[in-house]
Amino acid sequence: AQSVTQLGSHVSVSEGALVLLRCNYSSSVPPYLFWYVQYPNQGLQLLLKYTTGATLVKGINGFEAEFKKSETSFHLTKPSAHMSDAAEYFCAVKSFNKFYFGSGTKLNVKP
Amino acid sequence: EAGVTQFPSHSVIEKGQTVTLRCDPISGHDNLYWYRRVMGKEIKFLLHFVKESKQDESGMPNNRFLAERTGGTYSTLKVQPAELEDSGVYFCASSQDTLASSYEQYFGPGTRLTVT
Repeated sequence: AQSVTQLGSHVSVSEGALVLLRCNYSSSVPPYLFWYVQYPNQGLQLLLKYTTGATLVKGINGFEAEFKKSETSFHLTKPSAHMSDAAEYFCAVKSFNKFYFGSGTKLNVKP
Repeated sequence: EAGVTQFPSHSVIEKGQTVTLRCDPISGHDNLYWYRRVMGKEIKFLLHFVKESKQDESGMPNNRFLAERTGGTYSTLKVQPAELEDSGVYFCASSQDTLASSYEQYFGPGTRLTVT
């Protein structure tokens, strides 16, 4: 069975600080891993994805994530937070055409 | 290129009433999905269409929910009769060929349903 755990429903950082959003997954098959972001009143937007190959994946807006099989993790990072990064972030595992999402992490960026 | 659109953006209905949600996928996407997020919890899969056929409806909560995709274009999700626990945000997504599992799904903005 597939499941995704996002640690921290709310994360608050100062502008310019490191952003770290945690995601752990369980999957019975090699995982396809995704991070989506939802800005207010908008749909889910793909940030980045891991399918095969390089375990460090770079996405849009300066975000990146590293697939660590031994830790079953796919944490999302950004070196320096911007005010525009305030949104809700979802980690997901894709298996047999279904997405299994975590419960989301709301990122607040303080000036 | 237009993205996935959903209508209405918000709906408030009373328990026992009927509501129909609509989703228009990205043009040319044969695959259409419905998901639901209840009370800030995880987004959960409801069902998957390939063109007009239901490929997987294992996530549909009960027979009060009916999804259709006549003609393989837009889809509707009807809830009849609505119950309080049906409140949540209903997302629609579409994707290209699913032979490659790496294909992402493109999500709409969601319909926020409130049942009072």
